[in-house]
Amino acid sequence: GENVEQHPSTLSVQEGDSAVIKCTYSDSASNYFPWYKQELGKRPQLIIDIRSNVGEKKDQRIAVTLNKTAKHFSLHITETQPEDSAVYFCAAGGFKTIFGAGTRLFVKA
Amino acid sequence: EAQVTQNPRYLITVTGKKLTVTCSQNMNHEYMSWYRQDPGLGLRQIYYSMNVEVTDKGDVPEGYKVSRKEKRNFPLILESPSPNQTSLYFCASAPRGGNTEAFFGQGTRLTVV
Repeated sequence: GENVEQHPSTLSVQEGDSAVIKCTYSDSASNYFPWYKQELGKRPQLIIDIRSNVGEKKDQRIAVTLNKTAKHFSLHITETQPEDSAVYFCAAGGFKTIFGAGTRLFVKA
Repeated sequence: EAQVTQNPRYLITVTGKKLTVTCSQNMNHEYMSWYRQDPGLGLRQIYYSMNVEVTDKGDVPEGYKVSRKEKRNFPLILESPSPNQTSLYFCASAPRGGNTEAFFGQGTRLTVV
């Protein structure tokens, strides 16, 4: 069946550094690629998304890139801050949404 | 306030005792879905619904049932819970299908002993 692979599972960075999380998907029909942030004890919430007709999208310190040919998409966080510490999920959506396994990001002050 | 509401937030039950987790959204969304979240496994889809009276299995449907009699409600039913269904459950809704933003409920932490 369709799946989304996400790497790394854990990422630790120093405050101010950049963090990159990568995902690959299998379903060619996927056309929507959201990223969700889940803080400890809370629900996942959308932070940025990209559609298949766009290669890159940026919102302040976060950006997402999409390579539809290779079925890869990535989340880039620049100038990381302690409040960026959370679990991040990528997802691939079409008829339904498939989530990656998540990346636990630690930002050390 | 636009929201997805799940109840209960926490539940401890015994093996075999039927239970229902309710989910309601007030955004007139067509798409609703249930996920379970387990450490290292991310969000795995249990069932989803594209609209009223339309439901379909996700990746881990065994042991669960759902219904979508009204647009706003999408209850998750465990007919005979087992310890391997101990998990954190999230309901989510989206305007139209899997290619629109999902809004999650607060989560239900279920323990089956």
